[in-house]
Order: sequence, then structure tokens, then C-alpha cells
Amino acid sequence: EVQMVQSGAEVKKPGESLKISCKASGYSFTNYWIGWVRQMPVKGLEWMGIIYPFDSDTKYNPSLQGQVTISADKSISTAYLQWSGLKASDTAIYYCAAGQSMYYFDYWGQGTLVTVSS
Amino acid sequence: DIQMTQSPSSLSASVGDRITITCRASQSISTYLNWYQQKPGKAPNLLIHSASYLQSGVPSRFSGSGSGTDFTLTISSLQPEDFATYYCQQSYGAGAFGQGTKLDI
Repeated sequence: EVQMVQSGAEVKKPGESLKISCKASGYSFTNYWIGWVRQMPVKGLEWMGIIYPFDSDTKYNPSLQGQVTISADKSISTAYLQWSGLKASDTAIYYCAAGQSMYYFDYWGQGTLVTVSS
Repeated sequence: DIQMTQSPSSLSASVGDRITITCRASQSISTYLNWYQQKPGKAPNLLIHSASYLQSGVPSRFSGSGSGTDFTLTISSLQPEDFATYYCQQSYGAGAFGQGTKLDI
């Protein structure tokens, strides 16, 4: 059974850094694309970017490039999303998701709520 | 950037109804179009990929069609568990989602 287990909720102050994780199991980690999708409070979904753990090929939403970093550690089947300087507007639920195709996501994590507030 | 516009933004229907949700892309995306269902407090769930391919395990009352810029999701006979929010997503470029269609009773 495929599982995507995300790290727990975070409360941070503006300007702080953060790295959230997504541990995958039940499939070959290096052969699936893993992506991150953001959902701001009572809002729709926003595709942030994807990574192919086999060779770390990474693609970002141009509107977010430079604001976040997506990475993966093949040795522990875990993907990451990180910020170096959080803003209040980063408050959202962040989902990781995986797919054999880079074009759609078959499997989703449970979501990580990130709250940024002074 | 490719923009996705869904309509309607909300829809009221009854069990047994046939409903259609439309998604329009700002430029041609061939059949790089997916549909997801999201229930409150849950992660999205893939229903249809590549415009018309039913994801494994998804009931056959769901269907998708279209190519180029215009796409539709149809639910042939609404069941109680289908009341949720539906999103289209283009995967031709940066994976933009539509704004969602909330389907309620």
C-alpha cells in the first residue's frame, strides 16, 4: 500500500526558516515524481513544483521560483519543501503528492498546516 | 502562464442528477488535463487524468472529455458521497489548477 506521511503542523514567525517533510512508502521512491501543492485558507489549490528523486530533476511554478526549495533524500524515501524566510502569506496547508507520471498525482499525503504569524 | 477557468464555481444538485463541470484553458493544452475531487479536511483525490482516462478505483459514473482548451467532467448519476469540491488541473505547463467547483445538495 502506498503511503505518503507528512510532518506535523508548524507555527512560525515571519522571517524564520522551515523545512517540512513527506515520507513515502509502498512504491519505488526513485521512479515516481513527487510534488507539492499549496492550499491557502478557504482557497483553491496551487501547484508549487515537482522533483524526480532518481536524478533530482526539479521543476517549479514560475510564480514561486526562488521562494521555496524542493529536495529529496533517496536513502530515506523522503521529500522536502523548505523556506529560508517565511511570510504571513505562506500560511497554508501543504500537500505532498506522488505520481508515476509527472503530469498528475496518484497518491497524496495528509497535508501539513503551516501558520506564519508574529 | 496558462490560466484555468472552471464553471460554475458552485452547483446545487440532487442524488441521481447528471451534472457537468466545465474547465477552459487560456491556451491549448492538448489533453494534459486532470480532474480531482476534494472533500472537506481531506487531500484531493485523482478522478480523471489525461482528459478522459478514469483513474483506477474511481466509479464509472465519472467521465471526462475534451481537448485543446475546453474540457468537461460529467457525473452521470450523483451519489451522496459525490458532494465535494472538484478541481481541474492542467499539466502542460506549471500544473495550474482551476478555482474549483463546489457541488452541494
